[in-house]
Order: sequence, then structure tokens, then C-alpha cells
Amino acid sequence: QQPVQSPQAVILREGEDAVINCSSSKALYSVHWYRQKHGEAPVFLMILLKGGEQKGHDKISASFNEKKQQSSLYLTASQLSYSGTYFCGTVSNFGNEKLTFGTGTRLTIIP
Amino acid sequence: ETGVTQSPTHLIKTRGQQVTLRCSSQSGHNTVSWYQQALGQGPQFIFQYYREEENGRGNFPPRFSGLQFPNYSSELNVNALELDDSALYLCASETPGITEAFFGQGTRLTVV
Repeated sequence: QQPVQSPQAVILREGEDAVINCSSSKALYSVHWYRQKHGEAPVFLMILLKGGEQKGHDKISASFNEKKQQSSLYLTASQLSYSGTYFCGTVSNFGNEKLTFGTGTRLTIIP
Repeated sequence: ETGVTQSPTHLIKTRGQQVTLRCSSQSGHNTVSWYQQALGQGPQFIFQYYREEENGRGNFPPRFSGLQFPNYSSELNVNALELDDSALYLCASETPGITEAFFGQGTRLTVV
């Protein structure tokens, strides 16, 4: 089953913060986060492996709660370039890895 | 730039025709997956190839088939095209365990 993301869409002013959530009904081995701009391919942001780690670079970070089968992406002091649709991709089984993408969250940053 | 190249970038085909899409892989990545992305939707997994063998398939009919070559580049073939096959087709070059997965720019297929 497809992971569910929330919110479906969000509009922010430049400089505001955002949180995007990804929830799966399956036990997860890893969670990937991608950003896709209109008409372009998804761009890899980061991967979180089983272990409940948190990762980040610059002003984008993410957490992974394997017990709750959830991940959250945190965007701090958003910039216009952060606009796009964010997808989480989940991998359930180590050794039989297939990415299942979430429902997507459309983020719009306005000046 | 991911180092993953897909060709062609755009394609228009007639219903019933056949199409072949191509994908290079990133150095060090021996796994490639193909996805179909309809407008406004997330990518849907078609199949994965690992060392030239199919290594899993999503919910797509047999008229979707693929190949992976010794240099780990890959092809997606679709026979008997239908209007609903119109979509962006993405390949992802992956490391074992998908610790990295990088997408090509995609092929936009339109079936008329």
C-alpha cells in the first residue's frame, strides 16, 4: 500500500517553516525523500535507514520513527527554491528493496 | 545532475504501437528500476533489474517488459500502447539496498 503523506498541499511565505509527514502501514527498512519540480524528475534529498536516525543538510532535515513507521521532513526558513512536490519513498524489506512512493505534498513558497 | 540519462526526452506514439525507452546508469550502480508517473501522481513501480535479471515487478501487465545490459544500462519496452500509457517514465539508478537512488530526467510519452 502507498504511504500517506500530510498535508496534501501547503502554502508558505518565504522564511517560514514546514513539516511534511509520511506514514506507512508496513514495517520500514528505509525512507527516502525527494523533491520534484513541475515537469522534472524527482531529486533525491536524503535517505534514513532503520534505527530512528535524524539527518539533515543546510535547512532541510528529516526524522524516522521506525516503531511508528513514520518519517517527517522539516524545512526551516523556507526559500523560493523549495517549492515543488515532495515525495517520500519507502522500502519495506531488506534484500527485496523496492521503493514505494507516497501520495505527495505540494509545497508553494511565496515571496 | 545525477549522471543518469534517459532517451528520448519526449515521444508521441499511436495507440497499438510499440515503444522502447532507454536509460543509462550511474557508475557503481548495478540496479535499475523503472517507474510510471501519471500527471499529478507519484511514481508507480514497474519493475527492477539487478545484474541483468528482473528482480521484482509492480502491478503492470506483461506488455511492459525490460532489459538490463552488462554495463547496467537498461531498456523499457511497451507493446500494444494504450491511451492510458501516456505518462512520464522514469528510471532510477540504484546502489544495492537502495542506499542511493538517482533518477534520470524522464521520458514523456504521449499516446494518441
